[in-house]
Amino acid sequence: GAVVSQHPSRVICKSGTSVKIECRSLDFQATTMFWYRQFPKQSLMLMATSNEGSKATYEQGVEKDKFLINHASLTLSTLTVTSAHPEDSSFYICSASGQSGTSAYNEQFFGPGTRLTVL
Amino acid sequence: LAKTTQPISMDSYEGQEVNITCSHNNIATNDYITWYQQFPSQGPRFIIQGYKTKVTNEVASLFIPADRKSSTLSLPRVSLSDTAVYYCLVGYGGSQGNLIFGKGTKLSVKP
Repeated sequence: GAVVSQHPSRVICKSGTSVKIECRSLDFQATTMFWYRQFPKQSLMLMATSNEGSKATYEQGVEKDKFLINHASLTLSTLTVTSAHPEDSSFYICSASGQSGTSAYNEQFFGPGTRLTVL
Repeated sequence: LAKTTQPISMDSYEGQEVNITCSHNNIATNDYITWYQQFPSQGPRFIIQGYKTKVTNEVASLFIPADRKSSTLSLPRVSLSDTAVYYCLVGYGGSQGNLIFGKGTKLSVKP
């Protein structure tokens, strides 16, 4: 299957700072990328969907001014957590979907996740 | 998007076959059924996908009855490394939609 990477794998920051997380599709063109958040012992919660070159669509309850998503190319999407607070500490996971090279219909390929800890 | 219902947890022993059933009563005509596996602190990994009847790959089988209101993931002869959370997702997926994760089934395989 296709490979999706995330960087960094873990980050610790002080409250009030901004953190950028990168999501890259390494061997296919991702027309759509998704960002999820997962708190301990809970399921993944979709935060937003982004298509290359257009603004992200945010799920209800997700602040678009706090979680800035940029999908500038077919292989890269970034999530910036602005003015992070301890309650933003979570596991952030991206996924990517492309129109070709997938082994299953409309399969999403997930990155390894980024553990964010805000002190 | 169709809501899914799975058992919260299941226990098994090494070498046994494990069947996890997922209910999705409101599945739409163009929805696919996809199962993912997730280990702690890792992203989900695709296991299998199907639309109807039976699908088999090198790691699992997926059984889907004619009414498609449920599906069963079958893991043959599980090992300790199969201990994980398994998610059943229903949707069009891909660039046309998104995947909504339910609570998943935590499978614990014991020696």
